[in-house]
Amino acid sequence: KAGVTQTPRYLIKTRGQQVTLSCSPISGHRSVSWYQQTPGQGLQFLFEYFSETQRNKGNFPGRFSGRQFSNSRSEMNVSTLELGDSALYLCASSSNTHEQFFGPGTRLTVL
Amino acid sequence: GEDVEQSLFLSVREGDSSVINCTYTDSSSTYLYWYKQEPGAGLQLLTYIFSNMDMKQDQRLTVLLNKKDKHLSLRIADTQTGDSAIYFCAESIYGNKLVFGAGTILRVKS
Repeated sequence: KAGVTQTPRYLIKTRGQQVTLSCSPISGHRSVSWYQQTPGQGLQFLFEYFSETQRNKGNFPGRFSGRQFSNSRSEMNVSTLELGDSALYLCASSSNTHEQFFGPGTRLTVL
Repeated sequence: GEDVEQSLFLSVREGDSSVINCTYTDSSSTYLYWYKQEPGAGLQLLTYIFSNMDMKQDQRLTVLLNKKDKHLSLRIADTQTGDSAIYFCAESIYGNKLVFGAGTILRVKS
């Protein structure tokens, strides 16, 4: 089985712009979760989608949003980018609540 | 509250055992996990343990859980240079929401 894929792998944006990141889960997995990884805050949970519905949400501002499509692929969007949004964004897919498999991440740099 | 703590750095010699420790605060955690991250890569799931278990062994990896003290450890037997990485402890709070520790940098000297 192919693993979790994330596109793009690297992205450079400027403050005030918006960005959309994509995640394709492992085939058959219906849950997709998103995490932000920064040197200062570590790994933080953004949100989880299951069957096109947001099932859980972390403590991030409303500028961070996501969605899931009927094929389980997920996108997350960050609007009005700030310098502090520079991070590695990781997505994880799961077929149950025990194991989550992570993708390689998207490295976002905000200038 | 949700908080996971780990020591930041561990250095061992090749062939020795490594023990990485973690403490967590949420007693309602159902599963506890160990992930490995190599430079420039995502997280690799190493192993996990259900909260009603005390120990789990998987080849070179042994996980010990002391639920009373909310303490989790990962032992890597016969540590190799390829084991050099950052190791994250995580607890599942609700569903697929994971709370991670800050990570332990494992350095293996040959």
